Amino acid sequence: GNSVTQMEGPVTLSEEAFLTINCTYTATGYPSLFWYVQYPGEGLQLLLKATKADDKGSNKGFEATYRKETTSFHLEKGSVQVSDSAVYFCALRDTGRRALTFGSGTRLQVQP
Amino acid sequence: ETGVTQTPRHLVMGMTNKKSLKCEQHLGHNAMYWYKQSAKKPLELMFVYSLEERVENNSVPSRFSPECPNSSHLFLHLHTLQPEDSALYLCASSQDNGQGLAIQYFGAGTRLSVL
Repeated sequence: GNSVTQMEGPVTLSEEAFLTINCTYTATGYPSLFWYVQYPGEGLQLLLKATKADDKGSNKGFEATYRKETTSFHLEKGSVQVSDSAVYFCALRDTGRRALTFGSGTRLQVQP
Repeated sequence: ETGVTQTPRHLVMGMTNKKSLKCEQHLGHNAMYWYKQSAKKPLELMFVYSLEERVENNSVPSRFSPECPNSSHLFLHLHTLQPEDSALYLCASSQDNGQGLAIQYFGAGTRLSVL
């Protein structure tokens, strides 16, 4: 079956630090990959996506590259801000399926 | 305003109560979803409706009963729940184009506590 594995949190960084949140996946087909973000008290918002190998998704300074050889989709940002504090979810949607398979989420805390 | 509205935002119920969660999407989408988010666990898909027909049901106990009367509304009827059903219930919608590329848009969720 499909699964998504994320690094355990919380991740605590100082403002302007470099961020990496690891995500690896297993899938039976050729999945599309997503990062969602959940701010306190809110629902999930799509942050970025990639639909095929070597695609790079980017948004709001965040980037992730679809690496088929390592089955990974790590999230990176060069300089985090306090406003980036949230829970980040890696997810996949396998070929021909509507529903998403999510990782367990990684909480990011950015300190001033 | 995210385009997907869930009510109520918080709900406390006893194990013998019957309640319903409501989700409404204002995005013109044709597919809607219920997910369960428990502490320290990945989001779990519960149900998927496409064109108002249930197309996926992930072995959810019968004490959870979904209803999709039209493409804009989705309900989750709850009865005789257990304390372990306490969680954040998230609704999502998407435009199902049959190509697996549709982005899902989420509501803010209903925080359910079962006493």
